[in-house]
Amino acid sequence: NAGVTQTPKFQVLKTGQSMTLQCAQDMNHNSMYWYRQDPGMGLRLIYYSASEGTTDKGEVPNGYNVSRLNKREFSLRLESAAPSQTSVYFCASSAGTGVETQYFGPGTRLLVL
Amino acid sequence: DQQVKQNSPSLSVQEGRISILNCDYTNSMFDYFLWYKKYPAEGPTFLISISSIKDKNEDGRFTVFLNKSAKHLSLHIVPSQPGDSAVYFCAAHNYQLIWGAGTKLIIKP
Repeated sequence: NAGVTQTPKFQVLKTGQSMTLQCAQDMNHNSMYWYRQDPGMGLRLIYYSASEGTTDKGEVPNGYNVSRLNKREFSLRLESAAPSQTSVYFCASSAGTGVETQYFGPGTRLLVL
Repeated sequence: DQQVKQNSPSLSVQEGRISILNCDYTNSMFDYFLWYKKYPAEGPTFLISISSIKDKNEDGRFTVFLNKSAKHLSLHIVPSQPGDSAVYFCAAHNYQLIWGAGTKLIIKP
């Protein structure tokens, strides 16, 4: 039972390159989330998926796209990376989108040069 | 405009003493508050929560107090242990979670 897994753990990109961050959960959760964490700031929601087949924008969606591939997997894509997207990205899942506990992956540290 | 503020970036406490972490919020519509704990190179993990209809919730060494009139909540850890050294995030719920910037707690032996 791995919980929430994220790949890769660390990535360096050049400005304009694209990449996809992968996330998978094995807890049979309905809801999944992508956050970014920047120094001196709290986690900010990029996108979330309340259930399989649905996705919605969070607080900071610009420059990102997501895909809820199935109930287990939720990917985050950067089509044309910018230095402002340098951050630590966390994926999380929960049973529902209310006040249920969110379970987090270990994070992906992304550096855009 | 930060709706959830943790004004102390760090806090150092002697082992065995009480740790008090503070959180202020601006949105009176928040209906639920949560504390998460984060170790380096790991994701946050849930610690304790409180509904807006309560003023106190206790779980072992951890107690969260909510003062709605002051829009303030605090997390008390008694007694503090070395394993409590981590970053603590306060989060508030209103359709989605809004997170504070975190407070790094250091427990000195």
